[in-house]
Amino acid sequence: GAVVSQHPSWVICKSGTSVKIECRSLDFQATTMFWYRQFPKQSLMLMATSNEGSKATYEQGVEKDKFLINHASLTLSTLTVTSAHPEDSSFYICRADNRGYFGRNEQFFGPGTRLTVL
Amino acid sequence: QKEVEQNSGPLSVPEGAIASLNCTYSDRGSQSFFWYRQYSGKSPELIMFIYSNGDKEDGRFTAQLNKASQYVSLLIRDSQPSDSATYLCAVAGYAGGTSYGKLTFGQGTILTVHP
Repeated sequence: GAVVSQHPSWVICKSGTSVKIECRSLDFQATTMFWYRQFPKQSLMLMATSNEGSKATYEQGVEKDKFLINHASLTLSTLTVTSAHPEDSSFYICRADNRGYFGRNEQFFGPGTRLTVL
Repeated sequence: QKEVEQNSGPLSVPEGAIASLNCTYSDRGSQSFFWYRQYSGKSPELIMFIYSNGDKEDGRFTAQLNKASQYVSLLIRDSQPSDSATYLCAVAGYAGGTSYGKLTFGQGTILTVHP
C-alpha cells in the first residue's frame, strides 16, 4: 500500500535555530498534503494545508512566517520551523491522501517527527 | 462548543469485553467519519471509516453512524490488551476528489484493556 515517510523521525535543536522536516509520498503523487502538530496528551491540530505549486493555507493562529511550508513536487512537502523555541517542541505529523481501489480515497499519515527545542 | 467531542476517558475494560467509544460532531455538513488508533509516540492508524448511516463491521470493530443525531461510535468486541491505545474520532466535510480535505479530530479517548 501507499506509504508516507517523514524525515527526520526525531530532532533536537537549540533555541533560535531552524529545523526542516520532510514529508514524502513514496509511491503516489499527492497534490495536497497536510501538516499537523500534536502536543503531549492532546489531539492532532491541523497547522496548514500544503498545495503543490502554490502557497500553503494556514489555520488560524498558525504563524506562516514561522512555519514555512514548501510543496515543491507532487511527492514532497517540507515544513521548516524557523527560529525554534521550546514551546515549538511537539510531534509533527504529515498526511497525504490518494485515490485507492474502487474510487475510494485513502489517507496516509507519516510516522511523525518528534521535535525537541532546548 | 468543540467541533468534535469524544466521551471523556480513560476507559478501562476487561479482556474479552466490548469497549464502546463515542463521538459527537457539530457540523451537519460532515460527510466522512473516521476512527483512528494511536499508540504512544506513534502517528494515528486508521481503523474504520464510515460514510452512511447505520453500522459498518470489520472484524472485531463496528462503526455506527447516526447523522440525524450527529453521532458516531466505535465498538470493539473481544477486547484485547493490544487494543490499549488512544482512539481518535475525526470528521471531514468532503468525500470526493482525491483528498478528504481538512480532518477535524476529537480530543481522543484512552482505552485500557486489562487482562
